[in-house]
Amino acid sequence: DIQMTQSPSSLSASVGDRVTITCRASQSISSFLNWYQQKPGKAPNLLIYAASSLQSGVPSRFSGSGSGTDFTLTISSLQPEDFATYYCQQSYSTPYTFGQGAKLEIK
Amino acid sequence: QVQLQESGPGLVKPSETLSLTCTVSGGSISSNYWSWIRQPPGKGLEWIGYIYYSGSINYNPSLKSRVTISVDTSKNQFSLKLSSVTAADTAVYYCARSVFGLDPWGQGTLVTVSS
Repeated sequence: DIQMTQSPSSLSASVGDRVTITCRASQSISSFLNWYQQKPGKAPNLLIYAASSLQSGVPSRFSGSGSGTDFTLTISSLQPEDFATYYCQQSYSTPYTFGQGAKLEIK
Repeated sequence: QVQLQESGPGLVKPSETLSLTCTVSGGSISSNYWSWIRQPPGKGLEWIGYIYYSGSINYNPSLKSRVTISVDTSKNQFSLKLSSVTAADTAVYYCARSVFGLDPWGQGTLVTVSS
């Protein structure tokens, strides 16, 4: 299985901050990397697919980059509704695997 | 737009079989891949497997010996069966469409394994 490792696992930031979350794959996954946002008690919501493509309806302050083994999710200017847990997921090969999550909290 | 809704018992006894159904509305199940994912309370996400409408299936090897995923195109539904459950199978179970990433997701249903 491909292991996905996110860092940091938790972070605190303020409204308006620029935030970056990284995700590393245990082997090359090309650009088969997706990012999700999950709020408490809710299902995950797809933000970014194929490493850098913004899902329809997702605000443009979210962006993704990377290829191979190293990827980043960037939120350019944090809004109050962005405080949540973020997961990366590889869809390069089955079994699909997720990172452990990065919890973004209000400073 | 496409919406998914999980249904099934919220409580299953140890050693029994967990059975859930995902109903797809707003679109046809006869395209795309359809996945099951679970999340134990307070923990991360685990992909269980997917099915294509034609019946092609792929399971997570960690669960493969206990999992069955099936599709009923006439009802626009797909289903999950997990046998010989233990407390470790207690989780919120989600269904989702697999296209470019997993989207959309159902709201999820909590299944507790307890006697």
